[in-house]
Amino acid sequence: AQSVTQLGSHVSVSEGALVLLRCNYSSSVPPYLFWYVQYPNQGLQLLLKYTTGATLVKGINGFEAEFKKSETSFHLTKPSAHMSDAAEYFCAVSTTNTGTASKLTFGTGTRLQVTL
Amino acid sequence: DAGVTQSPTHLIKTRGQQVTLRCSPKSGHDTVSWYQQALGQGPQFIFQYYEEEERQRGNFPDRFSGHQFPNYSSELNVNALLLGDSALYLCASSWDRVNTEAFFGQGTRLTVV
Repeated sequence: AQSVTQLGSHVSVSEGALVLLRCNYSSSVPPYLFWYVQYPNQGLQLLLKYTTGATLVKGINGFEAEFKKSETSFHLTKPSAHMSDAAEYFCAVSTTNTGTASKLTFGTGTRLQVTL
Repeated sequence: DAGVTQSPTHLIKTRGQQVTLRCSPKSGHDTVSWYQQALGQGPQFIFQYYEEEERQRGNFPDRFSGHQFPNYSSELNVNALLLGDSALYLCASSWDRVNTEAFFGQGTRLTVV
């Protein structure tokens, strides 16, 4: 079974500061990893995903994440926070051991607050 | 492309009642998954439909059931509603390929009173 742990339910940064949201996963098979963002009263929007290949993944809105197998981590970063980045962020994992569009297992989320 | 659309957006039901939520997938997608997101939590996988059959199921009781139609749209039914069923219900669509991106609708907010 796979699982995701997001460290820090709330993160607050100043506008222009580095954003770092932490995600650790557990999976018995090679994982596919995702970061989604959720704005208030909205569904989930994909920021980026890791499947295979390059371990540094670039996504939308200036976000990127690095897959570190040795640390079972997939932390999300952005060099400079913007007020519009304030939202809930979810890390998710799915497994590659099925030939189908797999289900996603989500973490509990991290609420990012951006202050002036 | 309208993306994934869900209806209704909000719903209030009484304990013991039954509810049906609807989802139209993104154009070209053939797989629909349903998730429950309780307040302050991450989404939890309920089940997935492909070719009009339930293909995968999460840890949810039989009160939760679904259906997929030939046009790939889907319904989620919940019987004998409990207060604990209050949540945001999200529909996600994708292609039937390994770990392709899932596109989410904006959800249906169900309140059970």
